[in-house]
Amino acid sequence: DAGVIQSPRHEVTEMGQEVTLRCKPISGHNSLFWYRQTMMRGLELLIYFNNNVPIDDSGMPEDRFSAKMPNASFSTLKIQPSEPRDSAVYFCASRGQGANEQFFGPGTRLTVL
Amino acid sequence: EDQVTQSPEALRLQEGESSSLNCSYTVSGLRGLFWYRQDPGKGPEFLFTLYSAGEEKEKERLKATLTKKESFLHITAPKPEDSATYLCAVHPSSASKIIFGSGTRLSIRP
Repeated sequence: DAGVIQSPRHEVTEMGQEVTLRCKPISGHNSLFWYRQTMMRGLELLIYFNNNVPIDDSGMPEDRFSAKMPNASFSTLKIQPSEPRDSAVYFCASRGQGANEQFFGPGTRLTVL
Repeated sequence: EDQVTQSPEALRLQEGESSSLNCSYTVSGLRGLFWYRQDPGKGPEFLFTLYSAGEEKEKERLKATLTKKESFLHITAPKPEDSATYLCAVHPSSASKIIFGSGTRLSIRP
């Protein structure tokens, strides 16, 4: 099993640019989670999907953030326009049906200049 | 309000020196408590799930225990490769998502 796959692993962009982060969950898992991790705030849930449907997006900081899951094997997190305070590591995680444990990807380190 | 607090923030031990990490939680009901290990530059790696008070789980030098208010991660005779940040997370019964603590940075000196 390849685990959760995220791309890119590192992204450096300038303020105002659009950023798209990508995630492929573990095959067969039906829940997908997007997290953001910073030194100040730790690991925060942004949004999660169940069977490709967004269930809870209360953690999405503002309208500049959007997430989609067009099918069971792919999700994107988009930031438009990006700001320096968006700099963080963004993790994607997935969970199997009926399970409680989430399995994390390697993360995308985003730097907005 | 559901809350998770981990202590200490950082812990430095000598190789072979056993110790425990603490995770205190306040939730209306507990669906599950999780321990993860995170190495620098990597995503959290799942270790254990605990569901009810009195439950214990072990993996190599690690043992996780659970009471109604807290969980402990006991590390027995640690080795330098056990150095990492250990994260605790709880899944409240009343919520659809889990809440992470801020973690304990564990450093084991050879």
